[in-house]
Amino acid sequence: SQQGEEDPQALSIQEGENATMNCSYKTSINNLQWYRQNSGRGLVHLILIRSNEREKHSGRLRVTLDTSKKSSSLLITASRAADTASYFCATESPGYSTLTFGKGTMLLVSP
Amino acid sequence: DGGITQSPKYLFRKEGQNVTLSCEQNLNHDAMYWYRQDPGQGLRLIYYSQIVNDFQKGDIAEGYSVSREKKESFPLTVTSAQKNPTAFYLCASSITWRARDSPLHFGNGTRLTVT
Repeated sequence: SQQGEEDPQALSIQEGENATMNCSYKTSINNLQWYRQNSGRGLVHLILIRSNEREKHSGRLRVTLDTSKKSSSLLITASRAADTASYFCATESPGYSTLTFGKGTMLLVSP
Repeated sequence: DGGITQSPKYLFRKEGQNVTLSCEQNLNHDAMYWYRQDPGQGLRLIYYSQIVNDFQKGDIAEGYSVSREKKESFPLTVTSAQKNPTAFYLCASSITWRARDSPLHFGNGTRLTVT
């Protein structure tokens, strides 16, 4: 069953702007991960944040996690056309050996 | 370069035929997974294998079968019993199924069309 739900479903911005995507989930987690998928390709792991962490950075990516609200956000700063892709959150729950993915946010960055 | 190779990229079959999708990895990962992705949808887990000669059903295993005879290989067979087989199939691996905080590595998928 799908646990993560991304919001918005689609986002269209101009190059240079920031993009923020949100993910909500239902049960407790060990960690939350964000993945990117370019059209017709496999997913690529971007960043992992553990349940005891509140914020994590990787290059132009910033992820926050609020376990009290069961939500996470992914911020891409100074976006580029090459950031155009679908972004998925995935949760690993205690006792489970597999990840559960949301439906994704489709990001379009126009030059 | 280490990675996961899925073949073929596109596959066309007639209804009623079984078809096998290939997945090979040279990452020396213990765990392997098959996901199905439909348009506008997230990934749904079909089968996963924690170690050689072992595999478990995921959320949507009906109409699919797998084998794990070698560490490197995890082929997926889509049988004629699968009611809606047309989809994008993704294979993934991780270092070990017991490793917390272990990200998945994905292949580039096989798009199966059944008519």
